[in-house]
Amino acid sequence: KQEVTQIPAALSVPEGENLVLNCSFTDSAIYNLQWFRQDPGKGLTSLLLIQSSQREQTSGRLNASLDKSSGRSTLYIAASQPGDSATYLCAVRDTGGFKTIFGAGTRLFVKA
Amino acid sequence: DAGVTQSPTHLIKTRGQQVTLRCSPISGHKSVSWYQQVLGQGPQFIFQYYEKEERGRGNFPDRFSARQFPNYSSELNVNALLLGDSALYLCASSPGGSNYNSPLHFGNGTRLTVT
Repeated sequence: KQEVTQIPAALSVPEGENLVLNCSFTDSAIYNLQWFRQDPGKGLTSLLLIQSSQREQTSGRLNASLDKSSGRSTLYIAASQPGDSATYLCAVRDTGGFKTIFGAGTRLFVKA
Repeated sequence: DAGVTQSPTHLIKTRGQQVTLRCSPISGHKSVSWYQQVLGQGPQFIFQYYEKEERGRGNFPDRFSARQFPNYSSELNVNALLLGDSALYLCASSPGGSNYNSPLHFGNGTRLTVT
């Protein structure tokens, strides 16, 4: 049974700091891993999707890496801003194709 | 282009009642998935529908049911509501079929409160 874990559960950093969010999964049989952002009471916004054959994806100040064999992914946020404050969720799509399994998320607070 | 739209945005129901939540996918997307998110947790998979057929079901009781219409919109029904059904219900759409590496696109959800 696939399980997704995110560490840390919460993080508070000063503005401008570079930071790394961690995600681990127990079963390497995945199609892809997706990182999302969720603002309080809102839906999820897709940030990056890494296919199982890829090692990393970049979008602006965000860089996500994937090590499928070890069951790990990281989301790197450069030069953090107060507007980055949100919950960040990682999710893996299993090879059955229909189920995406989420971690509990990391709550990020960037102090001005 | 419009994103995934869900209605209603908020709903308050009493224990034992029934509720129907609605979702319209992004134009051109044929797959719709439903998720339940309890406060402080990640979303939990409930159902996936593709081309009006159920393709997957999560670990939820039979009180939960769904369907997809010819225009690819979807409804999630929950019968005999319990206090524990209080949650944010999220709908996600994707192209579906063999496009397993297309990202999921989520709506803003329906906040259900059961009293």
